[in-house]
Amino acid sequence: QVQLQESGLGLVKPSETLSLTCTVSGGSINTYYWNWIRQPPGKGLEWIGYIYYSGSTNYNPSLRSRVTMSVDTSKNQFSLKLNSVTAADTAVYYCARLFLLGTFNWFDPWGQGTLVTVSS
Amino acid sequence: DIQMTQSPSSLSASVGDRVTITCRASQNIDSYLNWYQQKPGKAPKLLIYAASSLQSGVPSRFSGSGFGTDFTLTISSLQPEDFATYYCQQSSSTPRTFGQGTRLETK
Repeated sequence: QVQLQESGLGLVKPSETLSLTCTVSGGSINTYYWNWIRQPPGKGLEWIGYIYYSGSTNYNPSLRSRVTMSVDTSKNQFSLKLNSVTAADTAVYYCARLFLLGTFNWFDPWGQGTLVTVSS
Repeated sequence: DIQMTQSPSSLSASVGDRVTITCRASQNIDSYLNWYQQKPGKAPKLLIYAASSLQSGVPSRFSGSGFGTDFTLTISSLQPEDFATYYCQQSSSTPRTFGQGTRLETK
């Protein structure tokens, strides 16, 4: 049973860089697409982007200029960096696997989520 | 980007009720539509994938239908544990996008 767990600092100052890591357990990271999704308090879900185990990425155009994702297959981890953060980046950040069945795909499983607050 | 619009945004219902939530895509997405349930403080949980396929372990009272731009999630007989927020999500193209959510509350 694949499980995901986010980790990282919960408080980031404006203009600085948000950094999170997702650890995959119960399975190898060496397949699938690994995603970051965020949810501002009381609001809906926003897909940030994904990284393939090979390192190829696909980012949401709305965040592309500020996002960098990386993968460490030796540690079964993938990471998110979001620079120049503002209060609008305050959200619960989830990591999730993109499961594939033919051409169909969906997010499952998800990590439990981690709240990141941007504040001085 | 493909815009996903859910209706209603909130819904009050009672245990035993039949509930239907609608999701509309801004362009044709064939059957590339997933449904998730989210409870407060928890991550979303997959219910339905490919518009109508029930995820393993999800009760059969949940069902999905639709194709193209119009989709529905139906709960045939509402149970106490079903009060939550429901999201549709298109998996046809990037960026992946979600509906704004439908909050299902007890009447």
